[in-house]
Amino acid sequence: DAGVTQSPTHLIKTRGQQVTLRCSPKSGHDTVSWYQQALGQGPQFIFQYYEEEERQRGNFPDRFSGHQFPNYSSELNVNALLLGDSALYLCASSLLGQGKSGNSPLHFGNGTRLTVT
Amino acid sequence: GNSVTQMEGPVTLSEEAFLTINCTYTATGYPSLFWYVQYPGEGLQLLLKATKADDKGSNKGFEATYRKETTSFHLEKGSVQVSDSAVYFCALSDQRNTPLVFGKGTRLSVIA
Repeated sequence: DAGVTQSPTHLIKTRGQQVTLRCSPKSGHDTVSWYQQALGQGPQFIFQYYEEEERQRGNFPDRFSGHQFPNYSSELNVNALLLGDSALYLCASSLLGQGKSGNSPLHFGNGTRLTVT
Repeated sequence: GNSVTQMEGPVTLSEEAFLTINCTYTATGYPSLFWYVQYPGEGLQLLLKATKADDKGSNKGFEATYRKETTSFHLEKGSVQVSDSAVYFCALSDQRNTPLVFGKGTRLSVIA
């Protein structure tokens, strides 16, 4: 049973460029959340996708956008990259549907390390 | 808003020592509390959780008790191993499926 997979594992971009990161959720999960983890910090919530729509969003500018596909996989896009966007980007999946009670535990991928120069 | 405060690291212990990593939180309502662990080069893994006051979460010898009166969820382990070396994150979620709010993490190094 494959867990959450992310690609690529590492990426180097230049300021002003655009980047797309990809995530496949754990089998059976229907919700994907994206987090940014700066060096030495805890993960910060970017947004969550469910049923191909953005359901919740953290305090990130519109340069950060996303998409969820019918197979539940997801992309994170960042436009006009800044040096401060350098971080580990984590994707996490969970099961939101079926009215589960309590907090559906998140399963994290190993992340994409983005370096902006 | 909601927030989590963890003790500053890094923490360095000898094998078989007792571990405590402090975590306190600020939240509205009755949040669920979590500890996640991040091994080098990997994503986060859920270590344990507690969903209501006085609950004790436990896994792999680690324990944490949800203390509403002190708004705390301290992580403990009686005898650490070298393989426990990792970064530990305390987190909360105040409603079903709301985003997790993480602390800054505490790096633990266990030496033989």
